[in-house]
Amino acid sequence: AQTVTQSQPEMSVQEAETVTLSCTYDTSESDYYLFWYKQPPSRQMILVIRQEAYKQQNATENRFSVNFQKAAKSFSLKISDSQLGDAAMYFCAYRSGTYNTDKLIFGTGTRLQVFP
Amino acid sequence: DAGVTQSPTHLIKTRGQQVTLRCSPISGHKSVSWYQQVLGQGPQFIFQYYEKEERGRGNFPDRFSARQFPNYSSELNVNALLLGDSALYLCASSQFGASRETQYFGPGTRLLVL
Repeated sequence: AQTVTQSQPEMSVQEAETVTLSCTYDTSESDYYLFWYKQPPSRQMILVIRQEAYKQQNATENRFSVNFQKAAKSFSLKISDSQLGDAAMYFCAYRSGTYNTDKLIFGTGTRLQVFP
Repeated sequence: DAGVTQSPTHLIKTRGQQVTLRCSPISGHKSVSWYQQVLGQGPQFIFQYYEKEERGRGNFPDRFSARQFPNYSSELNVNALLLGDSALYLCASSQFGASRETQYFGPGTRLLVL
């Protein structure tokens, strides 16, 4: 069975600084997708970034980028130029590419605080 | 375009009661998934429905059931409520339910069981 682990329950960062959130996963599959979702206090789960396992290039979306280390099964999220609006719970998630499914497997989340 | 909508936003029930939660996917999306998010944890997959058929089921008891209607909206039913069913229930939709697609989440229904 696949698992996702986020070992940092809480992180904090100063506004305009850079922070990295960690995620590791375990799978025996070769075809899969990895995601970072943001959940602000409003509860709406918002997709931040996604990575296809078959792509060697790390995904980037504006201030958000990932460090995808397939052999190490590591998928960290880097937030550059942090803003107050980045404060939220961040969840790492895995989805199998072997089976045609929407099923996401989530980690336990990291609460990010941003200080002015 | 409207996003995924869920109703109600909040709900309070007592142990032993039954509850029905509703979800309307994004227009054109045929796949709906349900997740349970207990406070302090990540969401756990409950069901996926695609074209009115169950495509996936998570590790939840038979008290949990769901269905999808011809307009692709969906209902999640929970019978014989337990205190441990208190959680945020999230609905997500995608166009074809394929692994390569992005899922879009609704705002959730907060269920409190007393």
